[in-house]
Amino acid sequence: DTEVTQTPKHLVMGMTNKKSLKCEQHMGHRAMYWYKQKAKKPPELMFVYSYEKLSINESVPSRFSPECPNSSLLNLHLHALQPEDSALYLCASSQARTGQGDTQYFGPGTRLTVL
Amino acid sequence: AQSVAQPEDQVNVAEGNPLTVKCTYSVSGNPYLFWYVQYPNRGLQFLLKYITGDNLVKGSYGFEAEFNKSQTSFHLKKPSALVSDSALYFCAVRDNSGGYQKVTFGTGTKLQVIP
Repeated sequence: DTEVTQTPKHLVMGMTNKKSLKCEQHMGHRAMYWYKQKAKKPPELMFVYSYEKLSINESVPSRFSPECPNSSLLNLHLHALQPEDSALYLCASSQARTGQGDTQYFGPGTRLTVL
Repeated sequence: AQSVAQPEDQVNVAEGNPLTVKCTYSVSGNPYLFWYVQYPNRGLQFLLKYITGDNLVKGSYGFEAEFNKSQTSFHLKKPSALVSDSALYFCAVRDNSGGYQKVTFGTGTKLQVIP
């Protein structure tokens, strides 16, 4: 089973709202990722958690706040977003194997619209 | 530094004909190479990867890819295209000398299979 689930599928929020995106995997993977993807563009890496610790933050604005409560769950907390933050947000996970062909498996994404 | 290029924004092919989606890469060490497919408003689905060994890699849904070290290429192929193969295809690369976390994606190639 290579399934990564994400909720909600769609989210519309105002610029003053606070919302959260959720991601879950039960493959025993120890690395989890958040990506942002604009239409017809490649995914852009935002954050990486490795063994539940934040290992990469690609200079993402503080209005995006990641959280990894346990090895299966990954959240992305959103606050005071801008319309340009509207995008497809993808979660991915991998086994976290250095030196091997570590493969990232993606969830279906959350389509976020900021009004 | 690692990079990947997909020289074609779009590839059109008639149903039943063979298809090729091109990818070239640049890494400082030995490459790990991946192909993903993305259907509209969906996440990326893993198709296949090259780690080492046989230059011809077989993947999901009848796709295969050929690793060519001298040409630094990893072209995706399928002997007989289906209309359902129409989607956005991403090539990705990671250098095996570093960590597992950062994968570089190409800009994507839209495949249109014409009935």
